[in-house]
Amino acid sequence: GAGVSQSPSNKVTEKGKDVELRCDPISGHTALYWYRQRLGQGLEFLIYFQGNSAPDKSGLPSDRFSAERTGESVSTLTIQRTQQEDSAVYLCASSLVQANTEAFFGQGTRLTVV
Amino acid sequence: SQKIEQNSEALNIQEGKTATLTCNYTNYSPAYLQWYRQDPGRGPVFLLLIRENEKEKRKERLKVTFDTTLKQSLFHITASQPADSATYLCALDGPSNTGKLIFGQGTTLQVKP
Repeated sequence: GAGVSQSPSNKVTEKGKDVELRCDPISGHTALYWYRQRLGQGLEFLIYFQGNSAPDKSGLPSDRFSAERTGESVSTLTIQRTQQEDSAVYLCASSLVQANTEAFFGQGTRLTVV
Repeated sequence: SQKIEQNSEALNIQEGKTATLTCNYTNYSPAYLQWYRQDPGRGPVFLLLIRENEKEKRKERLKVTFDTTLKQSLFHITASQPADSATYLCALDGPSNTGKLIFGQGTTLQVKP
């Protein structure tokens, strides 16, 4: 596909379960970002990848959150032992090089923890 | 730490008028600034990028200014249309040139016919 693809588009999970969110960036884009957006709020930076490395993990809210990227392509955001406050839309974006070029966003994964 | 502020109150204007949105930042000097549009239930879409050595950038009905002394960017939509109604986000590169892209909270624009 031509754009950034995220899956699943919606996820409902029970409190305490682990979830994995997937992001397929645009082919050839070396930079990849994860953001969290709570209802009616702005984008909260979580983590940034340059290639397969994460120079900045400062936005991860707790050690229950982790992310990896392989093959300078697909990225997975994992949330362990989900809590209700983790409910949000998780957005992934990619850009050609570092963040001084436009970022292309996926449609997001809406996570609901019940 | 760095802070980005956008007017959290919605901006309501009449069709045909110019909308002006503000983005202020503190505690660092970004090399560039970007503006995005976000519609409900969708991811943000890139509109314009302006670099620190550029004062102004235009694209069709859009104009962005970047004042590094005031630490402020203004985003203008001229001849506004109801289809311009959306939330507009500014974004800056994070400090220390790590490549991190940080977003403001966004301002919602409502253009009334």
